[in-house]
Parts: sequence; structure tokens; C-alpha cells
Amino acid sequence: GENVEQHPSTLSVQEGDSAVIKCTYSDSASNYFPWYKQELGKGPQLIIDIRSNVGEKKDQRIAVTLNKTAKHFSLHITETQPEDSAVYFCAATPNTGNQFYFGTGTSLTVIP
Amino acid sequence: SQTIHQWPATLVQPVGSPLSLECTVEGTSNPNLYWYRQAAGRGLQLLFYSVGIGQISSEVPQNLSASRPQDRQFILSSKKLLLSDSGFYLCAWSRDPNEKLFFGSGTQLSVL
Repeated sequence: GENVEQHPSTLSVQEGDSAVIKCTYSDSASNYFPWYKQELGKGPQLIIDIRSNVGEKKDQRIAVTLNKTAKHFSLHITETQPEDSAVYFCAATPNTGNQFYFGTGTSLTVIP
Repeated sequence: SQTIHQWPATLVQPVGSPLSLECTVEGTSNPNLYWYRQAAGRGLQLLFYSVGIGQISSEVPQNLSASRPQDRQFILSSKKLLLSDSGFYLCAWSRDPNEKLFFGSGTQLSVL
């Protein structure tokens, strides 16, 4: 099955700086890649997603890039703010089967 | 619009007691439904998923079971809880395995 690896596991940045989280996947059949933000004690919230027919997608301060050849995708947060502090999960899902495969999460801390 | 409801938010149960967590989805029909468990500071572990009424797939052998008595209702159960069943339980739904996955607010279960 699919294997998703996520790095780094923890990340601290100064407010206003950029943060980048990277994920790799193993199954070339995966074609949908969502990113989730989870605040303490809450369920994960979908913040951005990308499909394999697109190389980059942006939504205000958040962007996701996908490299199908290398099988990796990244989350970019610019102009970070303290409220961006949370755990972020990447996921991949193939166009067959019924599962979403999640990375192990990145705990992001934005230092004011 | 679609919403997902999960309850209770927190639960403290003694070892050996039964468990029933309920999840309902509104505003859509025939959703794919999922139960995930998240240990403290860890990633998301898929426990069960369902593509229709009465159709349950188990991903991890364990002390838990799931049922889907109605199209938009998903129940997680146990006859006798173990200490190792403690964790944050999340229900989720998607229209399709290859579509956006939306999570409920979670249940924090403590087995003492």
C-alpha cells in the first residue's frame, strides 16, 4: 500500500518568516494530496489540497507544490502568524481503494 | 452544506466497561465514513471505514467494532474497554475516497 513520510516532525519559526513542510509518497497511483491543520483538542481541518494534474496551488498565505516525478509534495506558509501554530498533516490517496494515507504530522510553533 | 457531528466530546470509562461513540453526517447521502484513532502526540490510525449501510472494513485487529445502521450514522463500539483503548477518536466522511475528507471534532477517551 501507500507509504507517506513527513518531515520535519517539529518546526519553530519566527513570526513573519516562512515555514515549509515536506511529504513523500510511494504509490504512483496516488492522485489527491490534502493538507490538514489540527489545533489542540480539535479535529483536523482541511486547509488546502492538490490533485496530480496540477503542480502548484495557492490560497492566500498557504501554497502546496507537487512533484509527481519525485513523488513529493510540500506545504508552504508565508508570513507566519502565531495562530498558524498547530500540527499539520499531509495525506495521499490513490485513485483505487478507499483509504487516505496520512503522514506522521509536523508540530509548527510560530514564535511572536 | 454538509456537517458532521460526533459525540461525546470527552469520555472517562473504567477498564472492562462497554463503549459506544456515535457519528452522524448531515447534508449528503451515501458518504464514505471513517473512524480514526490518534494517540497523544501521534499520527492518525485508520480503524474502520464504510462505503455503505452494513458494509464495514477493519484495518487493524483490535478490541473495537464498528457498525453503520443508517446511511449517515457510524458507531464505534467495544464490549470491554482496555487501557490501551485510550486516545482521541475521530470520525470523518468523504463523498468518494478520492475526494475531500472532513473530520468531526473528536472524542477524547480515557480508560482508567
